[in-house]
Amino acid sequence: DTGVSQNPRHKITKRGQNVTFRCDPISEHNRLYWYRQTLGQGPEFLTYFQNEAQLEKSRLLSDRFSAERPKGSFSTLEIQRTEQGDSAMYLCASSPRGQVNTEAFFGQGTRLTVV
Amino acid sequence: KQEVTQIPAALSVPEGENLVLNCSFTDSAIYNLQWFRQDPGKGLTSLLLIQSSQREQTSGRLNASLDKSSGRSTLYIAASQPGDSATYLCAVEETSGSRLTFGEGTQLTVNP
Repeated sequence: DTGVSQNPRHKITKRGQNVTFRCDPISEHNRLYWYRQTLGQGPEFLTYFQNEAQLEKSRLLSDRFSAERPKGSFSTLEIQRTEQGDSAMYLCASSPRGQVNTEAFFGQGTRLTVV
Repeated sequence: KQEVTQIPAALSVPEGENLVLNCSFTDSAIYNLQWFRQDPGKGLTSLLLIQSSQREQTSGRLNASLDKSSGRSTLYIAASQPGDSATYLCAVEETSGSRLTFGEGTQLTVNP
């Protein structure tokens, strides 16, 4: 168990470019979450997968954002036509299957800067 | 809509002090409450999870309590150390496996 892994750790991109982030959850965790955090704020929920099914999407997730989790393992978050307002830390978390222990474990995040 | 508030927003204490961080939430129908620590530029580290049926959880120098009916949780840190300096976030989970709703955090500085 190596924890939740996110790549890349940092990404600088020009406005209008597309970017893709990857998250590898803790093995055997069937739930995977994406959050976005801006400076001085708590993380805000973006979307949630249970296995390969995307069960919930926040209103924050505009049409430019898409997330996938093929085969219920790793997940990718893609942002198309990036805007300066997309600059933030993107955090991925996973939690185990089961109804009692739903403790969430977070990765180190991907810091996106749009210039 | 669930809202989570953390007080104070920032706290500076001398080393060795015991301290309390507060978290309140507007909808008491929660499933779990979780406390996290975040170092600058890093991800979140889970500290304690309290299930809705529990009143408190302890881990080392940390003790978290939950009063679901009043919508409050506290994180007690005993004998604070400079290494405790970080931002502490609380988050509530409304149903099993659902999203977490976070507060804005308390930025703690422990001075040597």
